[in-house]
Amino acid sequence: KQEVTQIPAALSVPEGENLVLNCSFTDSAIYNLQWFRQDPGKGLTSLLLIQSSQREQTSGRLNASLDKSSGRSTLYIAASQPGDSATYLCAVYQAGTALIFGKGTTLSVSS
Amino acid sequence: GAVVSQHPSRVICKSGTSVKIECRSLDFQATTMFWYRQFPKQSLMLMATSNEGSKATYEQGVEKDKFLINHASLTLSTLTVTSAHPEDSSFYICSAPDSQKLFFGSGTQLSVL
Repeated sequence: KQEVTQIPAALSVPEGENLVLNCSFTDSAIYNLQWFRQDPGKGLTSLLLIQSSQREQTSGRLNASLDKSSGRSTLYIAASQPGDSATYLCAVYQAGTALIFGKGTTLSVSS
Repeated sequence: GAVVSQHPSRVICKSGTSVKIECRSLDFQATTMFWYRQFPKQSLMLMATSNEGSKATYEQGVEKDKFLINHASLTLSTLTVTSAHPEDSSFYICSAPDSQKLFFGSGTQLSVL
């Protein structure tokens, strides 16, 4: 059974710092991996999607990498801003299933 | 990209009442939709998979008689929380697949008093 783990569970950084969020999964047979942002009491915003054949994706200050063989992905946020404060979720998509989510990393960026 | 609309976004109800949540795919057809639940500081957990024209598939531990799912058309799935109790208070969110990607509704925050 697929399990997704995210480390750390929470992270507090001052504005301007670069940071890395980690995600690991136990079954490497995935179609893709997605990173989402969730604001308190709200839905999900898809940030980046990496297909199983890809190594990384970039969008603005965000860069996500995927090492499928080792079951790991990282989300790199450059020059963090207070507006980046949210919970970041990692999820994997396998054939015939819904997304399997990690518990998320709650990020707090102070000004 | 594809859009999934979910309503209501927030509902407060008394214990014992039933609450219906709607999930619509606005610009694509979805033969399958997924319903998730998220308790505070927990991950999103899959509750059930709704299938157009057939019975929903429930995950282990989810009471099918309490969480009624109807997927009557290719663009609409509904989740009804019957006889809601305070422990059902949670964030419910639906999603629908389109071209190997999942698109999410905006979620429903349910508070049962």
